[in-house]
Formats: sequence, structure tokens, C-alpha cells
Amino acid sequence: DTGVSQNPRHKITKRGQNVTFRCDPISEHNRLYWYRQTLGQGPEFLTYFQNEAQLEKSRLLSDRFSAERPKGSFSTLEIQRTEQGDSAMYLCASTVSSGGPDTQYFGPGTRLTVL
Amino acid sequence: DAKTTQPTSMDCAEGRAANLPCNHSTISGNEYVYWYRQIHSQGPQYIIHGLKNNETNEMASLIITEDRKSSTLILPHATLRDTAVYYCIVRGWSYGGSQGNLIFGKGTKLSVKP
Repeated sequence: DTGVSQNPRHKITKRGQNVTFRCDPISEHNRLYWYRQTLGQGPEFLTYFQNEAQLEKSRLLSDRFSAERPKGSFSTLEIQRTEQGDSAMYLCASTVSSGGPDTQYFGPGTRLTVL
Repeated sequence: DAKTTQPTSMDCAEGRAANLPCNHSTISGNEYVYWYRQIHSQGPQYIIHGLKNNETNEMASLIITEDRKSSTLILPHATLRDTAVYYCIVRGWSYGGSQGNLIFGKGTKLSVKP
């Protein structure tokens, strides 16, 4: 257990529905990342926050995806109008930016299945 | 794209050392080598990282060649629980800069056999 928690762990939804995932990072970690992992592939970067500011978004983050970190603590990732291609593991990682090379610690992930 | 090349899969006997190679021939001066592993259906787990010196922690040792173009992760006494996909990642860092995200390749699937 790295101290990063994600909820729910599994989500099954029908195509066209909206889903929201939550990530609780390690306390005092000011950076939070979201990744997506499809079967047989390594995780791919989606977006990251420093405190409450969203500083970078991948081209993978279509306009159906939105992420927030309102108070610089937990974060949510919402997918609107889900498609079957959104089926994947969604991973959250956190780290503290302290002036040296940092280490990202990952949560257990949320597995999304879109029917 | 990932800046590293790893074998697709490797086997190791339980109790023996597992040596996982990684090529990163285009690595630049401020880039670190990170290793993560992912056990089936879990999130990636940090193992170790280094710049140019060899590093050791409670999980593993990292040996980086003098020219920094390749490295080897060593699990000294592999157990069945070390069966996982191991990712070698090159990542830049500089004072005052943003380190940014990790770029994962497909990694090496290590199977530890009894």
C-alpha cells in the first residue's frame, strides 16, 4: 500500500453514461498525475496537477474528459458520454516536488468497463 | 515514445538473481533511469532510480554503465512474488524545472519459476 487510494476500484457502465473517479494522494504531496492503461500496454500520461493548478494535458485527454483538484488535495477524473474505447485502468500517482528528482507513487487504479 | 528498449520477457528460477537489462542509448546528461514494476492488476510500484552511480536499496540494485547507455536491474534473490512486468524509464530533471510525467514502454515480463 503506497498511501495513494482510488475509488471505486471497479466500474462497469453503459456506453453514453458519465463516470467519475476519485484519487486521494499521499498527504502533503503537491503533484498529482492521472494515467490510463489499456490491456497489454504500459500506462499513458493523461494530465497532472501541481496543487490545484492543472499544468499539463495529454492529447489523449479528449474534451469528454475533465479533471479537477479543487483544494489541492484529492482529485476527480470525469468521463462524459463514455465510449467502449474508454475501457481501461485509470491510475493516479502523487509526488512531492521538493527541488530534487521526485518519485511518483501509484494508487491501485480504477478499472473501467464500458458495455 | 519510450526512450528505452527492454526484452519482452524473461524467466528466472526462484532464489536466483534476476538481471533485467535496459538500453537507453539516447539518454542525455540530466536524465535519470527509473525502474517500476507492475504486478498483475495492481498499480505500478517504484523500485529504484539512478543518474550515473550504481544504486542499491532494500528491493534491488541498479547498475548503470559508464557511458550511461544501458543499465541492469538486479533482484538478488527472486521469489515467486517478484513475477511482474518491469518498466525501465528515462526521465529528465533540472533545478527549477518540471520533471513531468513518466513515459512507459511495454516493459519486460519477468516470470519467476519454482
